[in-house]
Amino acid sequence: DAGITQSPRHKVTETGTPVTLRCHQTENHRYMYWYRQDPGHGLRLIHYSYGVKDTDKGEVSDGYSVSRSKTEDFLLTLESATSSQTSVYFCATGQGPPGEQFFGPGTRLTVL
Amino acid sequence: DAKTTQPPSMDCAEGRAANLPCNHSTISGNEYVYWYRQIHSQGPQYIIHGLKNNETNEMASLIITEDRKSSTLILPHATLRDTAVYYCIDSNYQLIWGAGTKLIIKP
Repeated sequence: DAGITQSPRHKVTETGTPVTLRCHQTENHRYMYWYRQDPGHGLRLIHYSYGVKDTDKGEVSDGYSVSRSKTEDFLLTLESATSSQTSVYFCATGQGPPGEQFFGPGTRLTVL
Repeated sequence: DAKTTQPPSMDCAEGRAANLPCNHSTISGNEYVYWYRQIHSQGPQYIIHGLKNNETNEMASLIITEDRKSSTLILPHATLRDTAVYYCIDSNYQLIWGAGTKLIIKP
């Protein structure tokens, strides 16, 4: 399995506060992805990166920003968290389509 | 929105083959068929993918019809640990996830 860690694993925060989630990989994969998953739904892509400092938006990017300053780390930032951003966030990595994606364990974020 | 159609749930007896169907009504020529699964609240796990030909690996077999409008994932000898939500996706770049099929393996 790809070595993918996410931190924190759980976070409770208040509306309006900034939040940063971190994804770290040890596999030297070129692509990294941030998804969110809400109850009863599949994953939705927030942002992805196809190389250091190369990022692009996914289908639900509003309210989120990302940064990738080195291959192994991909940060997801909620500049001002809202209750609608309460979700489970998954990071994934891969060598790029059409190859497989490897997923991290997820971060459960609650915005009160 | 997801481009594929899957039944919301299925049961299978332990030890039997589990056959999970998927419809790809709008798949285009350069889009691959992917299957992933998600066990409880863990991160999704890749199972298999293919373009036109049938594929087999240590986890499963993938059967794609000649017109590529449908596929079937086959778990040859299902175990209780195969209870999960299974997602089929067709894509040539970003993965668009639907709600998947909840597969319950019964003893």
